Parts: sequence; C-alpha cells; structure tokens
Amino acid sequence: DIVLTQSPGTLSLSPGERATLSCRASQAVSTTYIAWYQHKPGLAPRLLIYGTSSRATGIPDRFSGSGAGTEFTLTISRVEPADFAVYYCQQYATSRFTFGPGTKLDFK
Amino acid sequence: QVQLVQSGAEVRKPGSSVRVSCTTSGDSFISSAISWVRQAPGQGLEWVGQVIPVYGTADYAQKFRGRVSITSDESSTTAYMELSSLRSEDTAVYFCARSRHGGTSYWNYYMDVWGNGTTVIVSS
Repeated sequence: DIVLTQSPGTLSLSPGERATLSCRASQAVSTTYIAWYQHKPGLAPRLLIYGTSSRATGIPDRFSGSGAGTEFTLTISRVEPADFAVYYCQQYATSRFTFGPGTKLDFK
Repeated sequence: QVQLVQSGAEVRKPGSSVRVSCTTSGDSFISSAISWVRQAPGQGLEWVGQVIPVYGTADYAQKFRGRVSITSDESSTTAYMELSSLRSEDTAVYFCARSRHGGTSYWNYYMDVWGNGTTVIVSS
C-alpha cells in the first residue's frame, strides 16, 4: 500500500496568514490521483482538491493544490477563521486507497 | 443536489456483526462509486473499502479483508457496509461517500459528497 505522511502534525496560524501543508507519498503517485479533504469535529469531511490541483465545486480560490512525484502541497493563501480544521491528503491511484494522518490547523 | 442518508447509530457486542446503510438521492447511482471511511475516537480518517455499482465490484483495505463486505442495490440506490467479528477497536464513526471517477483505471474515484456518519459502538 502507498503510505502517505503529512507535515506538520499541527500548524498554528493567525487569520490572514498563509498555510502550507505537505503530503509525502512512499512511492511516486500520478498527479491525477491525489485529493485533499477538510474535516471539522462532528461534521462530514469535505472534498477540497482532487487531481492534485483541481478545486471541488464551491471551494474558494484561496485553497490551491500542487505537487508531483512523491511531494504534494495544499496551500491556503490567507487563512480565515472557518479554515481551522484537520486536513487530510488521500491517494486513489491504487485500488486500496490510503489517507495521510492529517494536519491540524489551529488558531495561534 | 446529491444527498447521502446513513442509518442510525448501532451498539454491538464483541464478535457480532453490524450492517450500515447509505441511501443516495439526487444523482445517478450507477455512474458513481461509494466508499466507506471510518474515524475512531481521537484518530484520523481510515478508508475501509469501495463498491462500484456499475461493475458490482468492491475493493477493500487490506486491514479489513475477510471481515468486511460492501454491496450496493441499484433499485433502492443504497450501499451497505457489513463488518463482522467486531472488536472494541471497531468503535468509530463510519462515513459513506459518493465518489466520482477520475482516472484511467476502474477504481480511480475521489470522494466528493459525504454522508453525516453512523456511530458504531462495540462494547460488552
């Protein structure tokens, strides 16, 4: 199985700052098959990005995804209060999907 | 507007089985896939498996092979996840997610609409 590692584990920022979240895969993954999700306690996860860089419907353009090979990044250009949550990367390149352990974005 | 409605919370004893349902509306069931993802208390998201109704096939995480069965019923646009030989570590919120195809292989789906989750508690 492809193992995904995310860093940092926790990212403490103030509203208006830039957030950079990293996801590293244990082997190269085509850019077609990386997604990012936002998850808040008590709610359903929300798809942000698929295919490494395509924003899902209704996702604001302050969220962007990039990367290739084994290194992928989710960037929030200016963090807003509603963005404090846990973020997961996920691969769907193989028939056994895997998630990263998550990065918690919290208020500084 | 696609909606996924999951069945209610369940409490089970160790060694027993549980079946959770996920009924979709508002979109073509047959053209999508349904994944099941769980979150144990204090843990992250964990993919359990995926069913693709148009093929009638399912794939599972290695961890759950032999204990899980994910099926779909086109007539009721409902997907089911059955987990057997339950243990306390299976206590979690189980989410279903409608998935869209995004790739060249039959299994390449990303999860774009999620249900609200079903709490399963395993306790003696």
